Amino acid sequence: DIQMTQSPSTLSASVGDRVTITCRASQSISSWLAWYQQKPGKAPKLLIYKASSLESGVPSRFSGSGSGTEFTLTISSLQPDDFATYYCQQYNSYTWTFGQGTKVEIK
Amino acid sequence: QITLKESGPTLVKPTQTLTLTCTFSGFSLSTSGVGVGWIRQPPGKALEWLALIYWDDDKRYSPSLKSRLTITKDTSKNQVVLTMTNMDPVDTATYYCAHSSRPGYPFDYWGQGTLVTVSS
Repeated sequence: DIQMTQSPSTLSASVGDRVTITCRASQSISSWLAWYQQKPGKAPKLLIYKASSLESGVPSRFSGSGSGTEFTLTISSLQPDDFATYYCQQYNSYTWTFGQGTKVEIK
Repeated sequence: QITLKESGPTLVKPTQTLTLTCTFSGFSLSTSGVGVGWIRQPPGKALEWLALIYWDDDKRYSPSLKSRLTITKDTSKNQVVLTMTNMDPVDTATYYCAHSSRPGYPFDYWGQGTLVTVSS
């Protein structure tokens, strides 16, 4: 199985901050990585696919980068609506895997 | 407009088999490339990928749960069914179904999820 490890687990930030979340794969997944945002009681929402492609309708302050085993999600200027939990997911292998999540809290 | 909705029991007893149905609209599971998957999330915990079925009946399962899972599709009814045997309290979770538009694409549409509690 490919394991996905996110860091940090929790991040405290203020509105306007630049925020970066890291996701590491236990083996190379090329660019087959997605990022999701999840708010309490809601289904996840796709933000980024293929490591750096912005899903339609997602604000441009979200960006993704990386390939191989190391990936990042960056929020260029944190907005009140962005306080949520973020998950990475690999879909390179025959089976898919999520990271353990990063909760972005208000500082 | 693509929508998905999960249905099934809200409470199951330990050792029982869980059967969940994902009923969808706005796409066909006979269209080349399309897939529907199942994901679960225990209360307060992370997402866990369970299974995925493609338009061509290619089926994939989480290695850790493979022996307990079966995913099937009924294209005529626009449904995907997931069964999980030998349920245990640790399987208590919100279960989601989700859509993938094409190979090399993750889950772009999700159902609202259904909470399944395992308790005697």
